[in-house]
Amino acid sequence: AQSVTQLDSQVPVFEEAPVELRCNYSSSVSVYLFWYVQYPNQGLQLLLKYLSGSTLVKGINGFEAEFNKSQTSFHLRKPSVHISDTAEYFCAVMTNAGGTSYGKLTFGQGTILTVHP
Amino acid sequence: DAGITQSPRHKVTETGTPVTLRCHQTENHRYMYWYRQDPGHGLRLIHYSYGVKDTDKGEVSDGYSVSRSKTEDFLLTLESATSSQTSVYFCAISERIQETQYFGPGTRLLVL
Repeated sequence: AQSVTQLDSQVPVFEEAPVELRCNYSSSVSVYLFWYVQYPNQGLQLLLKYLSGSTLVKGINGFEAEFNKSQTSFHLRKPSVHISDTAEYFCAVMTNAGGTSYGKLTFGQGTILTVHP
Repeated sequence: DAGITQSPRHKVTETGTPVTLRCHQTENHRYMYWYRQDPGHGLRLIHYSYGVKDTDKGEVSDGYSVSRSKTEDFLLTLESATSSQTSVYFCAISERIQETQYFGPGTRLLVL
């Protein structure tokens, strides 16, 4: 079975500062990795995903993430945040091999990013 | 945005009553999912469907049933609602099993 740990439940940051949201995963097979964002009272929106290829993945709104297989991490970064980035961010993993978890998304607990002026 | 609607968007019900939530899609995607979102738990999969009349259990399926009689509709039923089922419920769809899942706006359910 796979699992996801988001290491920070809340991250406060000032506008225009850089930010990193940390995500570690556990799986006995190879995985696909996703970051979703949830703005208040809305559904989840895909930020970016890693399926294969380059380990540095660029997403929407200036976010990027790096897949590190040896450290089983997929941290999300943005060099300069805006007030509008205030939201909850979810890391998720999906196995790409067979078994009972095939095709199922497992989410982390979420990180609330608050950007202060 | 993917064409996914959920109804109702808000519901208050009493313990012991049955409740049905509806997810409707206009994308003709094969796969549909029901999740619940609770603070500190992220989203957890309740049930999913891989085709009309084809469904399977997720991580937290106890107390829930689903049905899918048409490609576009996926119903989630709480057979006898309990306070522990107070949550926000999200529907998601995907074209293939390992493709990106697109989420609906959610249904906020309060069980008194």
